[in-house]
Amino acid sequence: SQQGEEDPQALSIQEGENATMNCSYKTSINNLQWYRQNSGRGLVHLILIRSNEREKHSGRLRVTLDTSKKSSSLLITASRAADTASYFCATVTGGADGLTFGKGTHLIIQP
Amino acid sequence: GAVVSQHPSWVICKSGTSVKIECRSLDFQATTMFWYRQFPKQSLMLMATSNEGSKATYEQGVEKDKFLINHASLTLSTLTVTSAHPEDSSFYICSAEMGSWAGELFFGEGSRLTVL
Repeated sequence: SQQGEEDPQALSIQEGENATMNCSYKTSINNLQWYRQNSGRGLVHLILIRSNEREKHSGRLRVTLDTSKKSSSLLITASRAADTASYFCATVTGGADGLTFGKGTHLIIQP
Repeated sequence: GAVVSQHPSWVICKSGTSVKIECRSLDFQATTMFWYRQFPKQSLMLMATSNEGSKATYEQGVEKDKFLINHASLTLSTLTVTSAHPEDSSFYICSAEMGSWAGELFFGEGSRLTVL
């Protein structure tokens, strides 16, 4: 099941601009993960942030987590055409091992 | 919304036996399905991309002879873990893509495999 919600559902920006995607969830989590899916490919893990962390960086990616608001954001700085993909957030809850995915944000970077 | 069904939800088997996991798209046709593996509270790792009517594409480090994938129809892909060992115990998840590029992705509920 997919109970997380990403917004926007679709985002189109110019190359070089920053892209921000948001994710909200409903239950307490152990950690939250962001994934990317390129056309015709499976999910690729981008970054994991634990419930006791507030911000994490990886290259051009910056993820924030606000557990009080049950939300997370993914920021891609200095976007490139190759960043065009669908981005999913997924949560791991305290007692379960599986992932609960959001519906994804489709990001288009225009050259 | 579209549904992807995985079966079985959980399975316990003896070491050395083979286990088959099915992934079905119930109300749409999926040309492409994906198989993932997840260790407890770890990230999801893509194992292979399954295309209907052709051989699966395996990710680096995934043994194709160990994890047999068959995508015989537009609604069914199977993952067979051959000669399973305790280290194969994991949570396996499939996903199916509706449509082509930027088609929405739907995930199965996952199958937990425990090898004794």
